[in-house]
Amino acid sequence: DVKVTQSSRYLVKRTGEKVFLECVQDMDHENMFWYRQDPGLGLRLIYFSYDVKMKEKGDIPEGYSVSREKKERFSLILESASTNQTSMYLCVSRSDRVPGNTIYFGEGSWLTVV
Amino acid sequence: AQKVTQAQTEISVVEKEDVTLDCVYETRDTTYYLFWYKQPPSGELVFLIRRNSFDEQNEISGRYSWNFQKSTSSFNFTITASQVVDSAVYFCALSEARNTGNQFYFGTGTSLTVIP
Repeated sequence: DVKVTQSSRYLVKRTGEKVFLECVQDMDHENMFWYRQDPGLGLRLIYFSYDVKMKEKGDIPEGYSVSREKKERFSLILESASTNQTSMYLCVSRSDRVPGNTIYFGEGSWLTVV
Repeated sequence: AQKVTQAQTEISVVEKEDVTLDCVYETRDTTYYLFWYKQPPSGELVFLIRRNSFDEQNEISGRYSWNFQKSTSSFNFTITASQVVDSAVYFCALSEARNTGNQFYFGTGTSLTVIP
């Protein structure tokens, strides 16, 4: 079974703190994505990466950065957390080698910025 | 422009009623995939179905059924004889095969509450 693991399930951070959300997948997938989920807004794409050291902005990249130094790990960074970044963050993984574009979700990370 | 539209934000039904969740998508590709996911209160997204653009045959899985109609760009999901455990947020999603990196386009979700 493919496993996408998000390092923290629940976090509480203070405004201005630097926050790292880590995501690791164990199936050698090329593509990894970070979404945030908010009530009424659904899932919105923040950043994605289709290869090591490659990154592309999604729909709402402002206030975020990402890092993909190794294929299995995709990190989402909030340089200076703000209260409007309180949300649930989902990591997603996908392989180009698997037909049908099936994607795999992490369990989600609930971030509260106070 | 929204590529996947789920016009119903919230639906409430009484247990044992049937309920249909609507999904309308937009794409210029001839090859694409459509998905439905369920997100129960625990938060994890659960894969329900994938349908490719060349297969318009409707599918039934237990109490769940899906109606894919390319003519109306719709991929609706029906739950028959709803149960309280069906209460969740349901997302429809589109993936266009030609996209490098393959972004997924999600609808905004429909929150279903089944009242006992």
